Amino acid sequence: AQRVTQPEKLLSVFKGAPVELKCNYSYSGSPELFWYVQYSRQRLQLLLRHISRESIKGFTADLNKGETSFHLKKPFAQEEDSAMYYCALSGMNRDDKIIFGKGTRLHILP
Amino acid sequence: NAGVTQTPKFQVLKTGQSMTLQCAQDMNHNSMYWYRQDPGMGLRLIYYSASEGTTDKGEVPNGYNVSRLNKREFSLRLESAAPSQTSVYFCASSYGGASAYSEAFFGQGTRLTVV
Repeated sequence: AQRVTQPEKLLSVFKGAPVELKCNYSYSGSPELFWYVQYSRQRLQLLLRHISRESIKGFTADLNKGETSFHLKKPFAQEEDSAMYYCALSGMNRDDKIIFGKGTRLHILP
Repeated sequence: NAGVTQTPKFQVLKTGQSMTLQCAQDMNHNSMYWYRQDPGMGLRLIYYSASEGTTDKGEVPNGYNVSRLNKREFSLRLESAAPSQTSVYFCASSYGGASAYSEAFFGQGTRLTVV
């Protein structure tokens, strides 16, 4: 079954400390993986996708097919990083729907 | 570029009233979704439409109906609103799987309160 698991509902990190938001997935094939961010009272917006292999706002995510993980990392947390983060998976077939994890709320402590 | 547009942005209903949330996208996307997001909680999929004329139930479909009117529009109907349906509703769309651009785009949300 297709599934995205974000084991932490809430993650509190001090400003300047490293951040790692965990995401594990289950999919029989080669999915496309995404991270979305939702700032307070706003819509979800794409943060990054694995095929782009880019860094956005200092965040990176590496797809580990062996561990079926796509963890989001940032070396130095900033207060403006406080938000809800969702990991998502898109399948290979046209009718495959996007699967979202339950989300992790990141709280940056001053 | 409008992207995904939802109407209304805010709504207050009395228990038992009905209403339809409208969603339209102008990106020629095949797939459209309706989610609800309760305070402090993650997204929960209500209904999904892979293409015009098809709809499938998601995680929490009870109390809702949907209609994929055409490729652009996907509406969500509450036939008899209940306080448990107080939530923020998000519409989203994507090209669908097997695409280099399969990311989802979201509307701004509808804040619904049922009293």
